[in-house]
Amino acid sequence: DTEVTQTPKHLVMGMTNKKSLKCEQHMGHRAMYWYKQKAKKPPELMFVYSYEKLSINESVPSRFSPECPNSSLLNLHLHALQPEDSALYLCASSHSLAGENEQFFGPGTRLTVL
Amino acid sequence: GQQVMQIPQYQHVQEGEDFTTYCNSSTTLSNIQWYKQRPGGHPVFLIQLVKSGEVKKQKRLTFQFGEAKKNSSLHITATQTTDVGTYFCAGLNSNSGYALNFGKGTSLLVTP
Repeated sequence: DTEVTQTPKHLVMGMTNKKSLKCEQHMGHRAMYWYKQKAKKPPELMFVYSYEKLSINESVPSRFSPECPNSSLLNLHLHALQPEDSALYLCASSHSLAGENEQFFGPGTRLTVL
Repeated sequence: GQQVMQIPQYQHVQEGEDFTTYCNSSTTLSNIQWYKQRPGGHPVFLIQLVKSGEVKKQKRLTFQFGEAKKNSSLHITATQTTDVGTYFCAGLNSNSGYALNFGKGTSLLVTP
């Protein structure tokens, strides 16, 4: 299985809602990533987990809260988002954090905040 | 901080023409990776270059890493409509953590 899966595919939420994005991989990868991608822009790194521990937090607002329950799962909890947070949220994984490893991206969750 | 510049932003070619996208970093990179993102899709890994002056080929695609490990290029020979998408380079500078710095991407449009 060389796939990263993400749910849901699409999400529409109001600014007062709480929702969660989910990501799963069964490749035995120990590094997992959350990216935010706006239209016609490159992916922008948000968080990196290595061996289930938060390794990098790129100064992301606290309304985004990551969680790594186990080595296969990565969640992104959303609360009190703003319309400018609407974007494609991509999860990725790699064998390790050593950097010389390709990242496998999931299909993304397209989020719209009203 | 580290920046990876990528040009051109857009390229429109006729099928059969060649295409090249270039990346430049302000700092020396540990490695550089290339990804392709089809319209409506997600980035898909193409290749990784690690050594100074490295050249790798994948069928019609040729990837190069500069001698100083600060620049890279992707060249596609005789483009096909299936080559349509955005090509991103992503550089890693191990001195600044293990986060990839993506270039802004080059969007390739191929018309038959």
